Amino acid sequence: SQQGEEDPQALSIQEGENATMNCSYKTSINNLQWYRQNSGRGLVHLILIRSNEREKHSGRLRVTLDTSKKSSSLLITASRAADTASYFCATKRSLETSGSRLTFGEGTQLTVNP
Amino acid sequence: DTEVTQTPKHLVMGMTNKKSLKCEQHMGHRAMYWYKQKAKKPPELMFVYSYEKLSINESVPSRFSPECPNSSLLNLHLHALQPEDSALYLCASSQLPMVYSNQPQHFGDGTRLSIL
Repeated sequence: SQQGEEDPQALSIQEGENATMNCSYKTSINNLQWYRQNSGRGLVHLILIRSNEREKHSGRLRVTLDTSKKSSSLLITASRAADTASYFCATKRSLETSGSRLTFGEGTQLTVNP
Repeated sequence: DTEVTQTPKHLVMGMTNKKSLKCEQHMGHRAMYWYKQKAKKPPELMFVYSYEKLSINESVPSRFSPECPNSSLLNLHLHALQPEDSALYLCASSQLPMVYSNQPQHFGDGTRLSIL
């Protein structure tokens, strides 16, 4: 089953507006990460929130984590056209037989219109 | 510019060709990863190298053969690929293997592979 699932799948807003993306996961985690991917580029790490944290800020980014609901949200305030990208949440999944790996959600495609 | 360098950026090959993808990082990271990403989908893990040893193979077909010649280099050898293998292949690294830490992964910009 998919460890991280995001909604909405696509989001289109005007420059200056706020954008909120949500991520849900199924199993226990010790941290959750958010990545951004611009078209044709690799993923860029944005922020990591640990399971004992409820909220974290980095510049215009605000991430919340609710472990009771197994969900996280990424808020981008005062969006810019340059924020146009795909955003993925990722959780660390540890399997006894094969080790630890990152599992990515399906992603949200954010378009910020000038 | 990313700190993980992948070459080539684009590759077109026939189903009978043999080619290699290359990934390099000079951050002293001891874990390196290969991912496959189809359009509008998340990256899917293929292989993980920890301290230059293969630690995870996600049941990848043998037509994909990874190699880690040293701690800075990661190769992916390709042979007899199928059209469905066309995708963006991403390399990533992290300071330590994930089993020991929660550090982020650093990604290259990928190789766009097309199989004719």
